[in-house]
Amino acid sequence: EIVLTQSPATLSLSPGERATLSCRASQSVSTYLVWYQQKPGQAPRLLIYDASNRATGIPARFSGSGSGTDFTLTISSLEPEDFAVYYCQQRSNRPITFGQGTRLEIK
Amino acid sequence: EVQLLESGGGLVQPGGSLRLSCAASGFTFSSYAMTWVRQAPGKGLEWVSIIKSSGGDIGYADSVKGRFTSSRDDSKNTLDLQMNDLRVEDTAVYYCAKGRGDNSVFDYWGQGTLVTVS
Repeated sequence: EIVLTQSPATLSLSPGERATLSCRASQSVSTYLVWYQQKPGQAPRLLIYDASNRATGIPARFSGSGSGTDFTLTISSLEPEDFAVYYCQQRSNRPITFGQGTRLEIK
Repeated sequence: EVQLLESGGGLVQPGGSLRLSCAASGFTFSSYAMTWVRQAPGKGLEWVSIIKSSGGDIGYADSVKGRFTSSRDDSKNTLDLQMNDLRVEDTAVYYCAKGRGDNSVFDYWGQGTLVTVS
C-alpha cells in the first residue's frame, strides 16, 4: 500500500499570503496524484488532478506540481474561502490511498 | 447538472448489515467509474471501493474486502454498497463519487450518508 504523508498537519496563514502544502508518497506514483479541498460539513471538492491539472472551475490561484514521490499544492494568494482541509490522493496503485490531510487555518 | 444522492445509512448493531444506494443524474452513468469513500467522525478520508464502467473491474480496500460488495445498475443509474458483518470501526459518513472518466479522479461527490455501528 502506498502511504501518503502530508505536511504540515496544520498551516496558519493570513488572507493574501501564499500557502504551500506538501504530499510525499512512500513510493513513486508518477504524476497520478490528486488534490481535494474539504470544508466542514461538506463533501470534498476536486482541485487538481494528475499532479498539475486544475479541475473545471478551480481558480488559477491554485496550482499543483511534482512527480514521483514529492508533490506540492500552492495557493498563490489566500482568499477567506480557502481556509479548509486539503487532502492528496494517489491513483497509481490499488488500494487507492489518501493523505491524512493538512488543515489550513486563519492566523 | 451532476447530482449524486446517497441513501440507506442509519444505526446498526455490530455484525449487522446495511445497504447503501447512490442515485446519479446529470451524466451518462454507464460511462464512468464510481467509488465509495468514507470518513469516520473527525477523521480523514478513506477509500472503500471502486467499480469501473460496465462493472468489469471492482476493487476494495483491505479493511472491507470480503464484507462489502459494490454493484451498479446502469439501467437505473444507481450504485449500491452492500455492507455485511459491520464493525464499530465502519462508523463513518459514506460518500459516493463519480470518476472524472473511467478512472480514480473523483470530480463529483454526494453529500454523504451516515452509518453508525453501535
